[in-house]
Amino acid sequence: DGGITQSPKYLFRKEGQNVTLSCEQNLNHDAMYWYRQDPGQGLRLIYYSQIVNDFQKGDIAEGYSVSREKKESFPLTVTSAQKNPTAFYLCASSTRQSPQETQYFGPGTRLLVL
Amino acid sequence: AQKVTQAQTEISVVEKEDVTLDCVYETRDTTYYLFWYKQPPSGELVFLIRRNSFDEQNEISGRYSWNFQKSTSSFNFTITASQVVDSAVYFCALSEGWKGGSEKLVFGKGTKLTVNP
Repeated sequence: DGGITQSPKYLFRKEGQNVTLSCEQNLNHDAMYWYRQDPGQGLRLIYYSQIVNDFQKGDIAEGYSVSREKKESFPLTVTSAQKNPTAFYLCASSTRQSPQETQYFGPGTRLLVL
Repeated sequence: AQKVTQAQTEISVVEKEDVTLDCVYETRDTTYYLFWYKQPPSGELVFLIRRNSFDEQNEISGRYSWNFQKSTSSFNFTITASQVVDSAVYFCALSEGWKGGSEKLVFGKGTKLTVNP
């Protein structure tokens, strides 16, 4: 079955710690995205990538970093610089990097700060 | 700048009632795309529909229907004969035509629908 997987489902972060959220897709999509969702809010774009070894900042990139070494994978690191990391993180992909293309989402990772 | 407004924060209905979720958008582009997604309690966003600005035909898919009206900048979503499984948060989203730059998909804040048995 083709789809997007995210792991872990829940992640706990201690103060000053960097944590990495995994996102893998087997849809052969070129573009991948990371969004953050806070309670009662819509989704906000953190980073996106349209091709391997290339990525751009979204609206709220501060305190986050990404890499795109493989087409299938787009991990997100939440660094210690992100002062309010508690949120639900969703990864998405689309056939190409264009906002008009339908984005398909993974199941999400819930990040909590200890 | 593009914007999506979902004025209904929460709606509660009884099973078998019809319910309409409102979506109003703002854009200066003549080419744009509208989307609806469903987010059940599990959290994953499920794609429901994509519509471009040149296609004003209403669409029906089973119990779901969408009414696109450019004159009022609205793209409303109706669920007929609602069921408990329809309980979820529903998001409307807008993207402008891609010009090769940093255009992106913009989401409304969502409407939480609760269908009670």
